[in-house]
Amino acid sequence: ETGVTQSPTHLIKTRGQQVTLRCSSQSGHNTVSWYQQALGQGPQFIFQYYREEENGRGNFPPRFSGLQFPNYSSELNVNALELDDSALYLCASSRVGAETQYFGPGTRLLVL
Amino acid sequence: AQTVTQSQPEMSVQEAETVTLSCTYDTSESNYYLFWYKQPPSRQMILVIRQEAYKQQNATENRFSVNFQKAAKSFSLKISDSQLGDTAMYFCAFAPNTNAGKSTFGDGTTLTVKP
Repeated sequence: ETGVTQSPTHLIKTRGQQVTLRCSSQSGHNTVSWYQQALGQGPQFIFQYYREEENGRGNFPPRFSGLQFPNYSSELNVNALELDDSALYLCASSRVGAETQYFGPGTRLLVL
Repeated sequence: AQTVTQSQPEMSVQEAETVTLSCTYDTSESNYYLFWYKQPPSRQMILVIRQEAYKQQNATENRFSVNFQKAAKSFSLKISDSQLGDTAMYFCAFAPNTNAGKSTFGDGTTLTVKP
C-alpha cells in the first residue's frame, strides 16, 4: 500500500510568483485535504477536495486554489505569492466520512 | 468556529518516566473527534491516538492514553514509559463528525525525552 506522497520537497519562489504543489493520495482514499503549517505553529486547514470538487475551505483567500483529478491526486496552486506564504504545506488523504487522515511529508515553500 | 489550545509550548521528561500534555478546545458541536498527532523532526505527521466524543471510555494505544473530559472540553495525552523516540512536536486536533480531513489544530507542544 503506497502512502501519501508530495512533490516537490522544497521550493524557493519570489514574491508575486505563482506556485503549484502536488499530492498523491494513499491507495483507496478519495478525499484530499491541504494544510499550511507556518514555522512554530500548528497546521491550518486550507481546503478539502472530494469528487473533484472543493468540499470546505478554511480562512484562506481565493489566490489559494486547488484541483483534484480522477485518480484522486491533487494540486494546490497559490498565486501572487506573499512573504507570509512561506510555510510547510501538508497534504492529507482519507476516505470520505473516515475518522482518520494520513499525511504526506510536506512541501517546504520559501518566498523571498 | 472551533479553537484548540495547547498551553505548554515545551515540556521535557526523563526516559522511562510519565508525562502529560494538555489540550483544551471550544466547540458548539456535540459529535466530533479529537486527535493527538506526533511530528518528529523529520516532519511527517503521524496519528498517535483518536477519541470519539460520543464514547465515554478514554482511548488507549499501548503507552499512550488520553483523559477526555467532555464537559470541561479538555483532552490530555499521557505518555507512559517515555522513550527517546517520543521526542517530537505533539499536536492536539479537533475534527467535526465524520470528517477527519477538516481538522483544527493547536499550536503544539515540543516534547523532549532526556536519557
